[in-house]
Amino acid sequence: DAGVTQSPTHLIKTRGQQVTLRCSPKSGHDTVSWYQQALGQGPQFIFQYYEEEERQRGNFPDRFSGHQFPNYSSELNVNALLLGDSALYLCASSVAPGRDEKLFFGSGTQLSVL
Amino acid sequence: GDSVTQMEGPVTLSEEAFLTINCTYTATGYPSLFWYVQYPGEGLQLLLKATKADDKGSNKGFEATYRKETTSFHLEKGSVQVSDSAVYFCALSGNQGGKLIFGQGTELSVKP
Repeated sequence: DAGVTQSPTHLIKTRGQQVTLRCSPKSGHDTVSWYQQALGQGPQFIFQYYEEEERQRGNFPDRFSGHQFPNYSSELNVNALLLGDSALYLCASSVAPGRDEKLFFGSGTQLSVL
Repeated sequence: GDSVTQMEGPVTLSEEAFLTINCTYTATGYPSLFWYVQYPGEGLQLLLKATKADDKGSNKGFEATYRKETTSFHLEKGSVQVSDSAVYFCALSGNQGGKLIFGQGTELSVKP
């Protein structure tokens, strides 16, 4: 049983470019959340998708957008990249969006913005 | 807003030593509390959780008790092993549900 898979594992972009990160949830999971983890910091919540809709959003600008597909996979898009967007982007899935649900995390996509 | 504060690392211990990693939180209402662990090159894994006051979460020899009166959820283990070397994150999930708020993480290094 594959866990949460993310692609690509590493990515290098330049300022002003756009990037798309992808996530496939664990089998049987229908809820996907995205987190940004800066070096030496804890993950910061970006948003959560359930039933193909954005259900919750953290304090991130509109440059960060997402999508969930009918097969529950998800994409994170970041437009007009800034140097400060360099971070590890983590995807997490769960069986439902409730607060006590166990999250399963992928290994992340390391984004470097030059 | 809600927040989590952890003791700063790195923490370096000898094998079989006692471990405590402090975690305190600020939240409205009654959050659920979690400890996640991140091994090198891997994603975060849930270590344990507690969903109400005085609950004790435990797993793999680690324990943490939800203390509402002190707003704390300290992680403890009686005898650490080299394989416990990792970064440990305390987190809470509040009334909004599903959104985890993490502390900054505490790196643990266990020497043989």
